[in-house]
Amino acid sequence: EVQLVESGGGLVQPGRSLRLSCAASGFTFGDYAMHWVRQAPGKGLEWVASISWNSGRLAYADSVKGRFTISRDNAKNSLYLQMNSLRPEDTALYYCAKASPGLGHPLDYWGQGTLVTVSS
Amino acid sequence: QSALTQPPSASGSPGQSITISCTGTSSDVGGYNYVSWYQQHPGKAPKLMIYEVSKRPSGVPDRFSGSKSGNTASLTVSGLQAEDEADYYCTSYAGSDNLVFGGGTKLTVL
Repeated sequence: EVQLVESGGGLVQPGRSLRLSCAASGFTFGDYAMHWVRQAPGKGLEWVASISWNSGRLAYADSVKGRFTISRDNAKNSLYLQMNSLRPEDTALYYCAKASPGLGHPLDYWGQGTLVTVSS
Repeated sequence: QSALTQPPSASGSPGQSITISCTGTSSDVGGYNYVSWYQQHPGKAPKLMIYEVSKRPSGVPDRFSGSKSGNTASLTVSGLQAEDEADYYCTSYAGSDNLVFGGGTKLTVL
């Protein structure tokens, strides 16, 4: 059974940093691209970042470019999101999601999310 | 990276069919046949319902179908059931491993 478990969320002051983790199991983690998607309270889904299977390709939403860094450790079956210079508008539930082999990165498995609250 | 445009709400009675639209540009929806649709029930993680415009993952009822014309994709739910009441999001590949989501549509089953 595929499982994605996010952790690392919490309350953080504006301007500070936070690192999210996503532990994957039930599939060969190193074979698939992975994504972070966030959802502000009561709002819609927003794509945040993606990383290819071998970390060779990284992509970011304009809203986080230059502040967030996506990475992975295939030996540890783990995905990460380093978030720096956090802003109140980064407050959201952060999901990690696995991209299926299909073209165009359909996200076939999602975690339950970890909540990040940016507030003073 | 502008969000795709979806109607905020849609509704239908049990047994009816409804269609939700998703409008983008030639840089996303119109440029690739890589539109996906997700269903999200309150408090739950999204679930993939349609990928590559019209393909259904294993386990998704064939009441759900997708299509695309130009810069607009559509999700049709036929034979509406109470459990279909949820938020639905479209997303499109936008090149260079980027994705863009729609704003979401709240489907109400009357």
